[in-house]
This record gives sequence, structure tokens and C-alpha cells, in this order.
Amino acid sequence: QKEVEQNSGPLSVPEGAIASLNCTYSDRVSQSFFWYRQYSGKSPELIMSIYSNGDKEDGRFTAQLNKASQYVSLLIRDSQPSDSATYLCAVNERGSNYKLTFGKGTLLTVNP
Amino acid sequence: GAVVSQHPSRVICKSGTSVKIECRSLDFQATTMFWYRQFPKKSLMLMATSNEGSKATYEQGVEKDKFLINHASLTLSTLTVTSAHPEDSSFYICSARDSREGGNEQFFGPGTRLTVL
Repeated sequence: QKEVEQNSGPLSVPEGAIASLNCTYSDRVSQSFFWYRQYSGKSPELIMSIYSNGDKEDGRFTAQLNKASQYVSLLIRDSQPSDSATYLCAVNERGSNYKLTFGKGTLLTVNP
Repeated sequence: GAVVSQHPSRVICKSGTSVKIECRSLDFQATTMFWYRQFPKKSLMLMATSNEGSKATYEQGVEKDKFLINHASLTLSTLTVTSAHPEDSSFYICSARDSREGGNEQFFGPGTRLTVL
């Protein structure tokens, strides 16, 4: 059973701080990794995709991937109250017909 | 990012009726689309994978005769909930895989909230 694990939170940070979200996955042949943001009552929104080891930056967001440790993280710099949402880590295995396995999500609250 | 639409956004129906939900990729062609359902405060649950021009692949425990999926074109997949019952009330969300530029990214539609009375 392929698993994607995330701390459910809630993770609470003050406005302007760095929020760090972590995810581990069980399947070593996983190829593609994604972070989605989901506001309450809405559908998931893709924030970042990362395919190779290292860091990938996009604005205030940085995704980090370490395949040897089976670990992927998302850093949010200068956190804003509008970043308050559930963050979903998703993993895709090559040959799985592109299905994503999702973690249960981490609830982030950014306090003004 | 790519844009995916869903219609309707909200539907209320009587028990025993059928409901069709449409999922469209607006600015790209999607050979693969996915259908999920989500109950309040619960995780996304993949129901099926829809491939253009072929039969959908259903996840274990999902009744294919109850949840009919058609992916007749590269921009449209439909989910029909047949003989809906109150326990089918949920948030149904589709996603479409954007394979342009060799990527694997999936973009979600806004979802359809189904209430069966």
C-alpha cells in the first residue's frame, strides 16, 4: 500500500514567518511530487510541482525534494493570513496511469 | 496554470434520479482525467481514471454501474450518478492531466456539490 504521510496539524505561524510543511512517502519509485492548497469548501489548487532532487522556488514558495530520504517539503516565506488553508502533498508513481496518492493534508493557520 | 471547469457547481436532486456532471479542460487537451469525491473534513478519494476513447478504470469499491464515466473527447469527461441516494451526497471534483511540456501536473475543476434529498 503506497502511503503519503503528513502531519495533520494544525500548524500555526504568525504573519510574516516561514511556514514549513513536511511530507514523507513510502514508494521509492515515485517520480513526481506536488503540493496543493485547498481552502475550506473549495477544490485543490496546484502550488508547486517538483520532479528532481533539490530545491525549486516560485515566489514565496520553495519545494524541496530528497528522494534518498523519501521526503518532500514546502516552505512558505512571509506567510500571510490568506495562506491559511489545508496543504496537500501528492505523489505520482511512474506507470500508475498518472494517479496521485494524496496525504491527508496539513492545516495551516497564519495569525495576523 | 491550466484551467478546468465543472458544471454544474451545485445540484440538488430527488432520490432515485440521475445527475450528470461535466468536466472540461479549457485551454489544453487532456487524455487523462480523474474523478474524486470528498466528504466534509475528509481526504480526497479517487473514484476513477478516465482515458479519452477508452473505458474508465474504477478504484476498488466504486460501483461502475452507479457512477458512469464517459471521456468522449480530449476536453470533456462526464460523470453520471445514476439512481442517486442521500448517501451519494458529496463534493465531486474532477482533475485533468496537462501533459504539455512533458509534465504530469493535474489541475482540478472547482467541484460540484451534490445534495440528494
